[in-house]
Amino acid sequence: QQQVKQSPQSLIVQKGGISIINCAYENTAFDYFPWYQQFPGKGPALLIAIRPDVSEKKEGRFTISFNKSAKQFSLHIMDSQPGDSATYFCAANLGGTYKYIFGTGTRLKVLA
Amino acid sequence: KAGVTQTPRYLIKTRGQQVTLSCSPISGHRSVSWYQQTPGQGLQFLFEYFSETQRNKGNFPGRFSGRQFSNSRSEMNVSTLELGDSALYLCASSPRTPPGELFFGEGSRLTVL
Repeated sequence: QQQVKQSPQSLIVQKGGISIINCAYENTAFDYFPWYQQFPGKGPALLIAIRPDVSEKKEGRFTISFNKSAKQFSLHIMDSQPGDSATYFCAANLGGTYKYIFGTGTRLKVLA
Repeated sequence: KAGVTQTPRYLIKTRGQQVTLSCSPISGHRSVSWYQQTPGQGLQFLFEYFSETQRNKGNFPGRFSGRQFSNSRSEMNVSTLELGDSALYLCASSPRTPPGELFFGEGSRLTVL
């Protein structure tokens, strides 16, 4: 019940295309859902985050869509660029702690 | 402002040995968390410290331990190393009450032979 399932494991997108990464969770007590981006040799960095009382959050080319009833959330990267090539992790948090449950990651490659 | 600093960046140990990893958080951050990253498993939570107290612990055996000092710097220790402990160990600091952003270091890559 503590798992966050992430798919796909890897993704190849043409430059200018839309990249979509999906995550699903079971524990309805999760109340904060961030996405982290990790480049090779670097630690993950926060990209965008959402709370379950909002169905969508957009920051530039990055959008989180949240479906509370289905217990799913997804990251959409519009106009994908080669510089977006990285590993993306979704995560979920139980309120009041810094204990995050991470998905297993999606390796995105954007072709020039 | 300096980021999260982890030392050493790379280390090789043999089975049965122990290892200590160090983490200096961003100045002013009082919460320090540790995660283990392995291919296919993603990031798995080890423990979190705030004001020298362990607030949360993940599902790892007792061979994994940590501590935090009064200056917020943190160390984690793994005793009796096993091959499966080979991983990237990431430290993250946070500035305020949770939930909030985790600021990760670049990690310490441990190889156990």
